[in-house]
Amino acid sequence: KAGVTQTPRYLIKTRGQQVTLSCSPISGHRSVSWYQQTPGQGLQFLFEYFSETQRNKGNFPGRFSGRQFSNSRSEMNVSTLELGDSALYLCASSLPLGLGKSSYNEQFFGPGTRLTVL
Amino acid sequence: TQLLEQSPQFLSIQEGENLTVYCNSSSVFSSLQWYRQEPGEGPVLLVTVVTGGEVKKLKRLTFQFGDARKDSSLHITAAQPGDTGLYLCAASGNTPLVFGKGTRLSVIA
Repeated sequence: KAGVTQTPRYLIKTRGQQVTLSCSPISGHRSVSWYQQTPGQGLQFLFEYFSETQRNKGNFPGRFSGRQFSNSRSEMNVSTLELGDSALYLCASSLPLGLGKSSYNEQFFGPGTRLTVL
Repeated sequence: TQLLEQSPQFLSIQEGENLTVYCNSSSVFSSLQWYRQEPGEGPVLLVTVVTGGEVKKLKRLTFQFGDARKDSSLHITAAQPGDTGLYLCAASGNTPLVFGKGTRLSVIA
């Protein structure tokens, strides 16, 4: 079974630009979550999508947005990039709570996209 | 929001040594997950503990969930260089998961 894939793996942008990151979940997983990882703050939750609907949102500004397509693939977008947005952006897929073998929201992570904002 | 404190933040040990890392909170968890993250990769789920007092073993790794379900520990016996990585705990059973900041382990050959 293929794992979670994320593209691109590395990205360099300048302040003020916008960026779109892509995530393909494990086949059969319909829930996709996005996280931002930095050395200072650790892993912070951005948002979660299930069946093309945003189900939860973390405490990030509106510059961070996302969407999910009918095939469960997801994208996240960051507009008006700031230096502080430099981070590893991780996507994770999971079976929704209460479904399948897992009812504990176990996350299967992709390798991440390393975003550097100059 | 549950706050998870992991300790120590950094740990550097020699191959063959034993170690324990901790994950603590003032809140009660319904369940807790441990992940390991290697450089350049995403975290990989190691185990989920659910019941207070539960102990789970994964080869040389032993995971324990506190009786009151407020804390957890990970013990590694005879550490090897392949154990090097960032160990993260996460409070689960809720949406979304809440992660601790991790313990960065370095095992030197």
